[in-house]
Amino acid sequence: KQEVTQIPAALSVPEGENLVLNCSFTDSAIYNLQWFRQDPGKGLTSLLLIQSSQREQTSGRLNASLDKSSGRSTLYIAASQPGDSATYLCAVDSSASKIIFGSGTRLSIRP
Amino acid sequence: GAGVSQSPSNKVTEKGKDVELRCDPISGHTALYWYRQSLGQGLEFLIYFQGNSAPDKSGLPSDRFSAERTGGSVSTLTIQRTQQEDSAVYLCASSLQIAGRGRNEQFFGPGTRLTVL
Repeated sequence: KQEVTQIPAALSVPEGENLVLNCSFTDSAIYNLQWFRQDPGKGLTSLLLIQSSQREQTSGRLNASLDKSSGRSTLYIAASQPGDSATYLCAVDSSASKIIFGSGTRLSIRP
Repeated sequence: GAGVSQSPSNKVTEKGKDVELRCDPISGHTALYWYRQSLGQGLEFLIYFQGNSAPDKSGLPSDRFSAERTGGSVSTLTIQRTQQEDSAVYLCASSLQIAGRGRNEQFFGPGTRLTVL
């Protein structure tokens, strides 16, 4: 059974810092892994999708990596801004189960 | 429309009433998902539709919950005899299904906030 964990649950950093969010999963037989952000009271916005054959994806200041063998993905945010404050969720699509979401990391960027 | 839409955006109902929540997926997307997000919690999978295949209903919490997808497009999630614990945000997502590669990028609607008094 696939389990997805995100650590830390909450993170607060000053503006301008680079930061890394972590996502780990227990079953390495995955199709893909997707990172989302969720603003309070809103739906989810897709950030990056990494297929199982890929090692990383980049979009602007965001870079997501995937290491299937160790069951880990990281989301790197460069030069953080107050507008980056949100909850970040990872979701794993496995061959043996439905899409499983982590519980999220609540990120706060202090001006 | 360009994205996934859901209606209503907010629904307040009395315990014991039935409610219907609607999702319009992105045109051409073959896969449609319903999730539930309770206050401060992660996303809980409810049901998954893929093309003409039988839906995966394994996440539905009780037989009071049902969903249908008509014509491979619009979906309705119905909750009968609502209870206070049904209060949550109900999110819908759609994606393209690529054979042998699992499900593709999911796009989410804004959600319906359900409050059961």
